[in-house]
Amino acid sequence: EDQVTQSPEALRLQEGESSSLNCSYTVSGLRGLFWYRQDPGKGPEFLFTLYSAGEEKEKERLKATLTKKESFLHITAPKPEDSATYLCAVPRNGGATNKLIFGTGTLLAVQP
Amino acid sequence: DGGITQSPKYLFRKEGQNVTLSCEQNLNHDAMYWYRQDPGQGLRLIYYSQIVNDFQKGDIAEGYSVSREKKESFPLTVTSAQKNPTAFYLCASSPGGDGQETQYFGPGTRLLVL
Repeated sequence: EDQVTQSPEALRLQEGESSSLNCSYTVSGLRGLFWYRQDPGKGPEFLFTLYSAGEEKEKERLKATLTKKESFLHITAPKPEDSATYLCAVPRNGGATNKLIFGTGTLLAVQP
Repeated sequence: DGGITQSPKYLFRKEGQNVTLSCEQNLNHDAMYWYRQDPGQGLRLIYYSQIVNDFQKGDIAEGYSVSREKKESFPLTVTSAQKNPTAFYLCASSPGGDGQETQYFGPGTRLLVL
């Protein structure tokens, strides 16, 4: 069964304390992996798309990397404004590529 | 300013009532989607449309209906057959009908049952 698992469920960091979030998936023939940021009561905001193992993308304090079985979202020297839920998603195996499977997210809290 | 708008922000439904959630986009995207988000669960796909006048059921379509009469608009009706409608509803769009492109989300509508 196609599945996306994110860990940890919640993470509390001090400002400036770097860490990583994990997104593991079981779909074969990956056709993209998407990272989103979601603030409370708002819609997800697109961050990155990764298509092949070894690919990396960066945006400010965030860097996303991809292997054949998982993706990491590295947060370097986080600030309180980085607090949010981070979601990852992959297209379901077979069928239309626009049918995404979402993980349940990692809730990140950065304390000043 | 291009984007996706959803209205209303909050919606209250009475027993036996159908309610319609609005989703409009001015990004000229072909594909549009409706998701439901519940606490502790990932987003689940309700319906999607790759082109005007065509739409397909997602994973949890029972109790919902949609229409796609215009490229910019993809309204979702929550019918009385949906027994547990309380959730956060998210509309999204992507540029092409093939769907390998990124999906962009609206601000969401929170539906509550009175």
